Amino acid sequence: GAVVSQHPSRVICKSGTSVKIECRSLDFQATTMFWYRQFPKQSLMLMATSNEGSKATYEQGVEKDKFLINHASLTLSTLTVTSAHPEDSSFYICSAGGGASGNQETQYFGPGTRLLVL
Amino acid sequence: QKEVEQNSGPLSVPEGAIASLNCTYSDRGSQSFFWYRQYSGKSPELIMFIYSNGDKEDGRFTAQLNKASQYVSLLIRDSQPSDSATYLCAVIIWDGSARQLTFGSGTQLTVLP
Repeated sequence: GAVVSQHPSRVICKSGTSVKIECRSLDFQATTMFWYRQFPKQSLMLMATSNEGSKATYEQGVEKDKFLINHASLTLSTLTVTSAHPEDSSFYICSAGGGASGNQETQYFGPGTRLLVL
Repeated sequence: QKEVEQNSGPLSVPEGAIASLNCTYSDRGSQSFFWYRQYSGKSPELIMFIYSNGDKEDGRFTAQLNKASQYVSLLIRDSQPSDSATYLCAVIIWDGSARQLTFGSGTQLTVLP
């Protein structure tokens, strides 16, 4: 149990376009999902925490109007990078809290989405 | 002081040896501790979690927790080249408004054949 999927795994887009990334918990319900970003050779950086049915909580320095998060169900959260620019190119990873362990604090990560903005 | 600290490495051990990875944390009230493994270009994968003082074993992996000294470690027995990865220590820390999983910067492990 505790499988998290992400789609797409890789996306290349032109500057100014918007990109939507989906995160799904496949075999458990996740009340809370998290979105991270990781630049090469750097640590994971939490962008926002998403609770089902409510507005996401963004970390300091993360623009909520640029990174739109929707958590419409207990198994699906989406991140939309609006008007993407080359500096948004990164590895975006979601995680879901809960899973078979029954502990909501345990986070299971999706495989990540590599975004390249030209 | 960083909330979760790890030696960045790189740490190199020969195949078959024990790899020892260490992590210290600042929040004395933390109760939940996790070890993740991240291969280059991939997302983190949960290895194990530990909540109680002492040792917790899972196959070749043993997590050790000492809340009084505020450290948690991961031992990998019979290290294999496939264990070469970055190991992330993560701790649930109260940030003043919520409990948040906080990651260390990771220790890069290389197991030499």
